[in-house]
Amino acid sequence: EAGVTQSPTHLIKTRGQQATLRCSPISGHTSVYWYQQALGLGLQFLLWYDEGEERNRGNFPPRFSGRQFPNYSSELNVNALELEDSALYLCASSRDRGQDEAFFGQGTRLTVV
Amino acid sequence: GESVGLHLPTLSVQEGDNSIINCAYSNSASDYFIWYKQESGKGPQFIIDIRSNMDKRQGQRVTVLLNKTVKHLSLQIAATQPGDSAVYFCAENRGSYIPTFGRGTSLIVHP
Repeated sequence: EAGVTQSPTHLIKTRGQQATLRCSPISGHTSVYWYQQALGLGLQFLLWYDEGEERNRGNFPPRFSGRQFPNYSSELNVNALELEDSALYLCASSRDRGQDEAFFGQGTRLTVV
Repeated sequence: GESVGLHLPTLSVQEGDNSIINCAYSNSASDYFIWYKQESGKGPQFIIDIRSNMDKRQGQRVTVLLNKTVKHLSLQIAATQPGDSAVYFCAENRGSYIPTFGRGTSLIVHP
């Protein structure tokens, strides 16, 4: 069974550009979580999608947005990139709205220059 | 405020020793806890979980203890190996369906 897959693995953008990150959950998982992990720091919750709907978002500005598709895959979009957005963006999926363990992908390393 | 935190940011041990990583939580409504291991450049990997109706759970070389009275969680790793070197995170689920992570503890295993 394939795990959570994220693409691209690395992304370099310039300040002011937009970035799109993609995530495919484990088959059968309907919940997708996005986290930001800045260098040396913990995981900061960004967004939670379940059954195609945004269920909750963390304390991030509106230029961080996303969506979940009918096949439960998800996109994270970051507009008007700032240098501080440079981080590892992690996607996780779970089967039962977080009541079971969440499985993580390898992440997308976003670098804003 | 509500938080999930770790007592020690870095833990250094000798190969073969037992390691104990601690985690405090403040929300008594939390009912599900997970330990993750994150190696450099990789995503967090599930290690073990425990629900609030238990106080101990064992896996292969790992044991998680939950003390609800003092809102404390610990991860014990037996016979620590160099491959155990990583950052360890505890996460809690408070019924909001969103796993909330602590800052992490870096475990360094010296051969």
